[in-house]
Amino acid sequence: DQQVKQNSPSLSVQEGRISILNCDYTNSMFDYFLWYKKYPAEGPTFLISISSIKDKNEDGRFTVFLNKSAKHLSLHIVPSQPGDSAVYFCAASKIQAGTALIFGKGTTLSVSS
Amino acid sequence: KAGVTQTPRYLIKTRGQQVTLSCSPISGHRSVSWYQQTPGQGLQFLFEYFSETQRNKGNFPGRFSGRQFSNSRSEMNVSTLELGDSALYLCASSGRSFSGANVLTFGAGSRLTVL
Repeated sequence: DQQVKQNSPSLSVQEGRISILNCDYTNSMFDYFLWYKKYPAEGPTFLISISSIKDKNEDGRFTVFLNKSAKHLSLHIVPSQPGDSAVYFCAASKIQAGTALIFGKGTTLSVSS
Repeated sequence: KAGVTQTPRYLIKTRGQQVTLSCSPISGHRSVSWYQQTPGQGLQFLFEYFSETQRNKGNFPGRFSGRQFSNSRSEMNVSTLELGDSALYLCASSGRSFSGANVLTFGAGSRLTVL
């Protein structure tokens, strides 16, 4: 039973355009949501997080939106760059679960120049 | 600041053997977590160690174990290896982002192949 789902295995975007990566969750008790990106042969790298009491968090080109009623979050990358090509993982956490994050299975983003 | 270091990066074992993987966290981080990544199940939490004590454990059989030393370095062990244990094993040390989330910094992983 997947608690965090990324329904799009892949996404292709042109350089300079917006990339929107989506994530759905089933458990309304999560306290934080995080996005990680992963390049081949490297570990996942933290991108941005959002508290469950917020609906938006922005960091440079990256913005995460949280829609609690729909149990949905999205990561917007504007403008997209070829170096953004990677696998993006959505993760959810509960404070009492410590570092036991629940990850989605990832979306592969390809940004073409 | 050095990142999370995992050794070995690649290893091949046969069914029934056991394996030990090592992880050195970021200096000053006392929490070390282990994750398993497979194509079918994705990233799954194995366990977390904090100050040499297991603080949390995921849903894995007892063949998977770990420990942490006084210098925060951690090892995980898998005994009686099965084909399904072939995976990328990721270690992470943690600190908090300003938002309060538990942010994990991952190592590059140890790729285990079981034949």
